[in-house]
Amino acid sequence: AQTVTQSQPEMSVQEAETVTLSCTYDTSESDYYLFWYKQPPSRQMILVIRQEAYKQQNATENRFSVNFQKAAKSFSLKISDSQLGDAAMYFCAYRGMGGSEKLVFGKGTKLTVNP
Amino acid sequence: DTAVSQTPKYLVTQMGNDKSIKCEQNLGHDTMYWYKQDSKKFLKIMFSYNNKELIINETVPNRFSPKSPDKAHLNLHINSLELGDSAVYFCASSPGTSGKQYFGPGTRLTVT
Repeated sequence: AQTVTQSQPEMSVQEAETVTLSCTYDTSESDYYLFWYKQPPSRQMILVIRQEAYKQQNATENRFSVNFQKAAKSFSLKISDSQLGDAAMYFCAYRGMGGSEKLVFGKGTKLTVNP
Repeated sequence: DTAVSQTPKYLVTQMGNDKSIKCEQNLGHDTMYWYKQDSKKFLKIMFSYNNKELIINETVPNRFSPKSPDKAHLNLHINSLELGDSAVYFCASSPGTSGKQYFGPGTRLTVT
């Protein structure tokens, strides 16, 4: 069974600085998807970024980028120029390639942004 | 024009009661899911339906019964509610091809 591990229960960053959230996963599949979801206090689950395992290029969405190391099964999220609105729980998630595959989540990292 | 909606957003009830949570998506997706987020924020899949057919049932007590009347709706009925059922329940939908899942706003269930 696939597992996702986020080893940092909490992280903090100063406004305008850069922070990296860690995620490792375990799978025997060669193709899959990886995601980062953000959950602010409103509890809405917001998709931040998606990576397809067959793509070597790291995904980027504005201030958010990932460092995807397939051999090491590592998928970290970098947030640049951190803003107060980035404060939230961040979940790393794995999904297989099938049409109805479930998301397997890590336990989350609570990010605090200090003004 | 909400993509995935859930009703109600909050539900407070007593042990032993039966309750339902409704989910609707207007994205035209074929697959819908129920996830449970516990008090420690851990999210775990409960059920998945594809075109009204049950695909995933993850060792959930049979007091929980999902029902999909059509592919735009996936409801969750819970019988004989227990204290441990208190959680946030998220509905999600997916077109399947992109891997993305779109979440509803969640329903916070509190069992007293």
